[in-house]
Amino acid sequence: EVQLVESGGGLVQPGGSLRLSCAASGFTLSTYSMNWVRQAPGKGLEWVAYISSSSSTINYEDSVKGRFTISRDNAKNSLYLQMNSLRDEDTAVYYCARETSIYRSLVYWGQGTLVTVSS
Amino acid sequence: DIQMTQSPSSLSASVGDRVTITCRASQSISNYLNWYQQKPGKAPNLLIYAASSLQSGVPSRFSGSGSGTDFTLTISSLQPEDFATYYCQQSYSTPRTFGQGTKVEIK
Repeated sequence: EVQLVESGGGLVQPGGSLRLSCAASGFTLSTYSMNWVRQAPGKGLEWVAYISSSSSTINYEDSVKGRFTISRDNAKNSLYLQMNSLRDEDTAVYYCARETSIYRSLVYWGQGTLVTVSS
Repeated sequence: DIQMTQSPSSLSASVGDRVTITCRASQSISNYLNWYQQKPGKAPNLLIYAASSLQSGVPSRFSGSGSGTDFTLTISSLQPEDFATYYCQQSYSTPRTFGQGTKVEIK
């Protein structure tokens, strides 16, 4: 059974840092491209970052460029999101999601981890 | 960046109604269009991929159509478990933008 489990969320002050992790099981992470998607309280879904299976291609949403870093450790079957210089508007539930190979749809999602940026 | 515009932002419908949600891309995305359903407190669930392909396990009352810039999600006969928020998403290029969502509520 495919499972994605996020961890690392919590309360952080503006300007602070957090590192989110996504543990994958039931499949070989190295085969798939992965994404982070977030959802602010009461708001819609917002795509955050993408990393290809080999890490050769990485893309970010404009508002997180230069502050967030997506990475993966295929040997540990884990995906990461390093978040620096956090702002109030980064408060959201963060989901990791596995992308299909052909049409790049997000079939498998984690349960999400809440990041709250507040003083 | 490709902008995705969904309409309506919300709708009220009764069980058994036919419901249609539209999604428009700011430029052609071929058929790289996905539809997701999200219920409160839960992760999104993929319904339709490649604009019109039904994801495994999704009831056949859900269907998708369109290509290029204009897309539609149709629920042929709304069921109680379908009251949720629906999102379109383009996977043609990054950023992989989502529509703003359509909340389907009980009339």
